[in-house]
Amino acid sequence: GIQVEQSPPDLILQEGANSTLRCNFSDSVNNLQWFHQNPWGQLINLFYIPSGTKQNGRLSATTVATERYSLLYISSSQTTDSGVYFCAVDDKDAGGTSYGKLTFGQGTILTVHP
Amino acid sequence: KAGVTQTPRYLIKTRGQQVTLSCSPISGHRSVSWYQQTPGQGLQFLFEYFSETQRNKGNFPGRFSGRQFSNSRSEMNVSTLELGDSALYLCASSLGGQGPWETQYFGPGTRLLVL
Repeated sequence: GIQVEQSPPDLILQEGANSTLRCNFSDSVNNLQWFHQNPWGQLINLFYIPSGTKQNGRLSATTVATERYSLLYISSSQTTDSGVYFCAVDDKDAGGTSYGKLTFGQGTILTVHP
Repeated sequence: KAGVTQTPRYLIKTRGQQVTLSCSPISGHRSVSWYQQTPGQGLQFLFEYFSETQRNKGNFPGRFSGRQFSNSRSEMNVSTLELGDSALYLCASSLGGQGPWETQYFGPGTRLLVL
């Protein structure tokens, strides 16, 4: 199956700082999503971005599909941005189907201090 | 629209018991996927259901099973619980008709503790 690697594994910031999280994947993808997992465990959708660039407030994401990586940018970080950020991609089986299956990276643990 | 809901939110069981978890997808969504999250293995795909049929399955033992009802609600069952089954179980829903290009939306999860 596809391999997904996220970096850095841990990131500690002061409030107001900017950060870049990276996701590398080992094969072509049709689906790439970024999530923020809150302290209660729920995965919050940030972006659906198999290619191109999107922005939503202080967050933006870019996926370069040909080079098999995606970046999540967080600007002017706030303490509420703390949590774990996951990148997930569709994972095709030997027959080429990937119904409902996302493969997740190990996540980046972000801690923002006031 | 209401989001994905999961019940119960927390559960404590003992080894050897079985457990059933429930997931109600977003209205209009027909695909439900289940995932297990543990500190050691991270988030792993269990299975996916669409129109009451399992279309995809991850690498989990047969003790893990699921089903989907005609209203798209889904249940997963774990029989003969083991300590290692302690985890956060997440379900996700999507429209289901567009293959891998669909956004998946996750529920709040069920935390299962096996003693």
